[in-house]
Amino acid sequence: EAQVTQNPRYLITVTGKKLTVTCSQNMNHEYMSWYRQDPGLGLRQIYYSMNVEVTDKGDVPEGYKVSRKEKRNFPLILESPSPNQTSLYFCASSLSIAASGRHEQFFGPGTRLTVL
Amino acid sequence: QQQVKQSPQSLIVQKGGISIINCAYENTAFDYFPWYQQFPGKGPALLIAIRPDVSEKKEGRFTISFNKSAKQFSLHIMDSQPGDSATYFCAATDRGSTLGRLYFGRGTQLTVWP
Repeated sequence: EAQVTQNPRYLITVTGKKLTVTCSQNMNHEYMSWYRQDPGLGLRQIYYSMNVEVTDKGDVPEGYKVSRKEKRNFPLILESPSPNQTSLYFCASSLSIAASGRHEQFFGPGTRLTVL
Repeated sequence: QQQVKQSPQSLIVQKGGISIINCAYENTAFDYFPWYQQFPGKGPALLIAIRPDVSEKKEGRFTISFNKSAKQFSLHIMDSQPGDSATYFCAATDRGSTLGRLYFGRGTQLTVWP
């Protein structure tokens, strides 16, 4: 089944304790992205990756890191989480626009993070 | 700076009624306008999309209307059903850009009551 998986789905942690949220897709997509969703603010892009070893900042990258060592994986790293990073996080992937002409992003099920 | 502005933030419609959600953009390079639907506890999923060479696209009860000169587009849900209750996001992208980014509106929470 074609899908984007995220782990963990739920996480409660404390300020300053490093954490990683994993994201994996099995559709051989070049493009991957991380979003955070907050009430009234919609989906805001954190980081995105056009392909392996190619990443760039989105609209709200502060406090986050990413890496793209393999095409299928795109982990989100919070080196020193703070309470303002409490949010619902989504990973998404898609084919390149040139390849698909459609640009449909496939979203994972979300990770609800609480930082105390 | 928000690339896509969406309204209303929330919408309550009676079953059988028409739901209308509006979006506006400024970047004239945008040439692909999808709508995503998100049910509680799930990730967003593509619902319907339009390119600016047409003024309307219909899929079942869902219709996108597009006004290129006004730089506005809207989603109409005909005969709204309780199962349509979800959050709807409009989005836009420039398919010619190598960045491949989707710019989302802030979302509309639709509630359809019986």
